This record gives sequence, structure tokens and C-alpha cells, in this order.
Amino acid sequence: DTGVSQDPRHKITKRGQNVTFRCDPISEHNRLYWYRQTLGQGPEFLTYFQNEAQLEKSRLLSDRFSAERPKGSFSTLEIQRTEQGDSAMYLCASSLRVIKETQYFGPGTRLLVL
Amino acid sequence: TQLLEQSPQFLSIQEGENLTVYCNSSSVFSSLQWYRQEPGEGPVLLVTVVTGGEVKKLKRLTFQFGDARKDSSLHITAAQPGDTGLYLCAGPNAGGTSYGKLTFGQGTILTVHP
Repeated sequence: DTGVSQDPRHKITKRGQNVTFRCDPISEHNRLYWYRQTLGQGPEFLTYFQNEAQLEKSRLLSDRFSAERPKGSFSTLEIQRTEQGDSAMYLCASSLRVIKETQYFGPGTRLLVL
Repeated sequence: TQLLEQSPQFLSIQEGENLTVYCNSSSVFSSLQWYRQEPGEGPVLLVTVVTGGEVKKLKRLTFQFGDARKDSSLHITAAQPGDTGLYLCAGPNAGGTSYGKLTFGQGTILTVHP
């Protein structure tokens, strides 16, 4: 399968714990995006990378959130001191930087904070 | 800030009926994308419309991009239970470092009853 992959698919944690999610984009794609989606709503942008550079962060991304893409390939999203309001689906997407680009999404990581 | 409004939010119909989902904005988009998402999975791209007035067909699904590139519609003919899911429209932000970041509508939850 050469699509976007995410790991883990599901994560249950207790409030206050740290969690880390991984995203592996399509291999030749140089742009990588993170979105958050709550039940029955559309995804909301969190942050994106062009190669290893993080170019933009949403206001939704509090200081407890950090994302990295160290070698311009896979990316990690870490949430520190999780809160119940962090419960959501975290989606990763990748694209090839061309005009009118198309983003391809991974299956997501479903986070539940108890 | 570019916003996309989808309507209706919920649609419950019988197999064989036709339906239309609308995606509207006050902003011009360079393109609009339609995704379908099943529970627990990431959005899957259905189509990208690029040119004002463009019509694209995907089997029983017909997508239209408004002449002014501010709105789009998805029409499904003879809906089937397999069409059940969350339908999302999305458009890329234009300009600066936000280029390519997707803004999503809130989605339309479609249920097709056998």
C-alpha cells in the first residue's frame, strides 16, 4: 500500500498523559498536513510542513501540541498533558507541491482521553 | 478567513431517491474538492473541480463548480445504501504561507435506507 499511513489507529489515554502519533506520507510528497476532526464535523487545520520546515500553525495548536518532520519524510504529532477536550480524530494528509494540489488523507488516529 | 457552508447537514433518504448537497462560500476558490468519509476512516477524495462552470461525473455522482468559483454541488442519482457516509467539500487557501491549507465545510451526513 503506497498511501498515507498513520500509527496508531486508536489511542486511549488518561488525562494528563503524553501521547505521540506518527504519519508516513506518500513517498514523493513534500507537503504534509495535520488536521483534527471531531465527531460529525469537517476536519480543522492544525499545522503543515513543506519538507522539514513547519510553515504554519493554527491557533488550535496550543503550547501542549508539537509537531516535527525531522528529515522531511515521516512526521510526529505530540500532545503533552492531554485533556478530555483533546479527544478527536487526528488526520494526516500529504501532497505534492504543484498548483491546484490534491491532498491525500491517511486513515487517522482516534484519540480518547479519559 | 475563507469559510465553506454545506447544506443540508443531515440527509436521510430511501434507496433509489436522488439528492443534492450544496457547498457555498462568499470567497473565490481556485478549486474545490469533494471527499467521502466512512466512520473511523480518513476522507477519501472523490473529485477536484477547477474551472468555473465545470461539471464532472463519477458514475451516479455529478459534481458542479459554480461559474464564479464560490460554490459547488454534488448530485447523487438513484442513491444506494453504499453511498452512506459523511460528504465533505474543501477548498485550498490561496496566497502566502497558507497556500494549500484546506478549509472544510462542516459536512453532510447521508444515510440511505434499503
